[in-house]
Amino acid sequence: GNSVTQMEGPVTLSEEAFLTINCTYTATGYPSLFWYVQYPGEGLQLLLKATKADDKGSNKGFEATYRKETTSFHLEKGSVQVSDSAVYFCALYVLTGGGNKLTFGTGTQLKVEL
Amino acid sequence: GAGVSQSPSNKVTEKGKDVELRCDPISGHTALYWYRQSLGQGLEFLIYFQGNSAPDKSGLPSDRFSAERTGGSVSTLTIQRTQQEDSAVYLCASSSNLQGRSIQYFGAGTRLSVL
Repeated sequence: GNSVTQMEGPVTLSEEAFLTINCTYTATGYPSLFWYVQYPGEGLQLLLKATKADDKGSNKGFEATYRKETTSFHLEKGSVQVSDSAVYFCALYVLTGGGNKLTFGTGTQLKVEL
Repeated sequence: GAGVSQSPSNKVTEKGKDVELRCDPISGHTALYWYRQSLGQGLEFLIYFQGNSAPDKSGLPSDRFSAERTGGSVSTLTIQRTQQEDSAVYLCASSSNLQGRSIQYFGAGTRLSVL
């Protein structure tokens, strides 16, 4: 079956530090890969996505590259801000005839301090 | 138009009672998904609707859980005889089409607490 493994949190960083959150996956077929973010008290929001190998998704200074050879989709940001404090979920789906249900990682809580 | 709307935002119930959770998807979105977010299990898929039919119910944890969708729009998730392990945040998502790399848009969720 499909699965997503992401690094456990919480991750605590100082403002302007470099962020990496690791994500690896197992999937049958060719998955699309996503990072979702959940800010305190809010629902999940799509942060970025990549639909094929070597694609780079980017948004709000965050980036992730779809690496088929290492089955990875690590999230990076060069300089985090306090407002980036949230829970980050790596997810995938594989196109099937019956819908594109998402398989999520367990989430990584990020706390950014001044 | 507006995003995915879920109600109520919070629900507290007693063990053994039935509850109904509502999801109003983005207008025109034909696909609708229910997920559950709980401390022990993370984010889990429950059920998928395409229009009013549910081709994938594989994530429903027991026969106490059921869902319907009417008019290709609003969906209701019903939990009968609630148990404490049902306490979780129930998330609804919708997307515009079945094929292609469609994006799922999530509501803010309903936080269910079973006492």
